[in-house]
Amino acid sequence: QKEVEQDPGPLSVPEGAIVSLNCTYSNSAFQYFMWYRQYSRKGPELLMYTYSSGNKEDGRFTAQVDKSSKYISLFIRDSQPSDSATYLCAIPSNTGKLIFGQGTTLQVKP
Amino acid sequence: DTAVSQTPKYLVTQMGNDKSIKCEQNLGHDTMYWYKQDSKKFLKIMFSYNNKELIINETVPNRFSPKSPDKAHLNLHINSLELGDSAVYFCASSQDHRDLEAFFGQGTRLTVV
Repeated sequence: QKEVEQDPGPLSVPEGAIVSLNCTYSNSAFQYFMWYRQYSRKGPELLMYTYSSGNKEDGRFTAQVDKSSKYISLFIRDSQPSDSATYLCAIPSNTGKLIFGQGTTLQVKP
Repeated sequence: DTAVSQTPKYLVTQMGNDKSIKCEQNLGHDTMYWYKQDSKKFLKIMFSYNNKELIINETVPNRFSPKSPDKAHLNLHINSLELGDSAVYFCASSQDHRDLEAFFGQGTRLTVV
C-alpha cells in the first residue's frame, strides 16, 4: 500500500461547479497535510496546508482533514477555467521528506 | 526574477550518454531538493541537501549523483542514461529541512532516445 494515494482522474467539470479532490494516507502519525497545484509545464506550488484535523478555508478553497479515516480533501467552490491544473496532496514524513499523491488532473470547462 | 531556476528546460539525449542539470535558488534557503516526476505525474523525492550536506538519499541508482557547490546551487549529474530515466526533473528549495513549503523550479524535461 502506498503511503499516500490519490485518484489521478482526469476530472472534468463545468465552470461554477464545486470540485472535491481527495487523498487517503496510511500512517496515522502524519500531522501536516498539504495541497500543491501544478499548472501544465510548470513546477508545483503550495496552495494551502492544514495541521491535524479540521477545516481551513482560503477564498474559494477549503482543505479538510479527517484523521480518523485518514482522509484529506480539497474543495473548490465556484470553479473557474483558471483552476484547471493538477492538484497534488502532499504529506511531510517524520524524516523530513514530502510524500506526494499521484495528483488529480482537473479541467474546468467554460 | 526567478526564485528557483533550472537549466536546461528540455534535454533530449541518446542512451548511454552522460548529462547534467543545473539548479540555482535566490531565496536564501538552506535546503534544496531533486524530485523526479514520471509520465503519470507521480512526484518522488530523490535527494535533499541542507547547507551543502546530503540529508536525504532515496533509493536512486548510483548513476545519479547530486552535487552542491554552495547552498544556492544543486546540480544533478546522470551517467549512462537509460530509457527509463525519461521524466521531468524538478529542483526545489525550502527555508530549511523542517520547513513545510517547498518552492519548485519549472522542471527539466529529459527524454532519452
